[in-house]
Amino acid sequence: DTGVSQDPRHKITKRGQNVTFRCDPISEHNRLYWYRQTLGQGPEFLTYFQNEAQLEKSRLLSDRFSAERPKGSFSTLEIQRTEQGDSAMYLCASRIKSGEIYGYTFGSGTRLTVV
Amino acid sequence: AQSVAQPEDQVNVAEGNPLTVKCTYSVSGNPYLFWYVQYPNRGLQFLLKYITGDNLVKGSYGFEAEFNKSQTSFHLKKPSALVSDSALYFCAVRDGDSSYKLIFGSGTRLLVRP
Repeated sequence: DTGVSQDPRHKITKRGQNVTFRCDPISEHNRLYWYRQTLGQGPEFLTYFQNEAQLEKSRLLSDRFSAERPKGSFSTLEIQRTEQGDSAMYLCASRIKSGEIYGYTFGSGTRLTVV
Repeated sequence: AQSVAQPEDQVNVAEGNPLTVKCTYSVSGNPYLFWYVQYPNRGLQFLLKYITGDNLVKGSYGFEAEFNKSQTSFHLKKPSALVSDSALYFCAVRDGDSSYKLIFGSGTRLLVRP
């Protein structure tokens, strides 16, 4: 149990459908990050929240992607009109903002397969 | 821009032998460096980090990493490999902007043979 929960663990969807993933960070962590990891590659940054504010979005995050973090707690990542290229592992990570550099805690990820 | 490079796609080592997984970095300012391990279909597990201080950093599961400023390297090491160490290893650097996001290398697959 890593402390960061992601749901679902696996999602298979047909091309063109919308999907939504959820991330529940460690409760006292106010920073939340979404990453995408394709097979054989390192995780790539998608977006970042500090509390409920989305402060940075990667160029990888096309208009079909949207993320929210209402009330600064859990976060959702929605992909509209999915494409086969969206197939990847979507990872969520959280950390606490402080004067020291703490490790980032990652969830187990949601593996998306678009068929 | 901050970046890390992992020059080896795969490292093979026999159980009981020492292992090294290489990482080099490029940063402006002080480097904040991390190593993570990933088992199949799982998220990333934190191994260790370098912020400042001793160049030899000790982490989880018997792993350690050596920070070398002159060579801009942060290699992961373990004195005696276990078959259960077989996994995907990622080096990462904290970005220099206010997001503090991590920037990852492409990963190195470690295969420890019995």
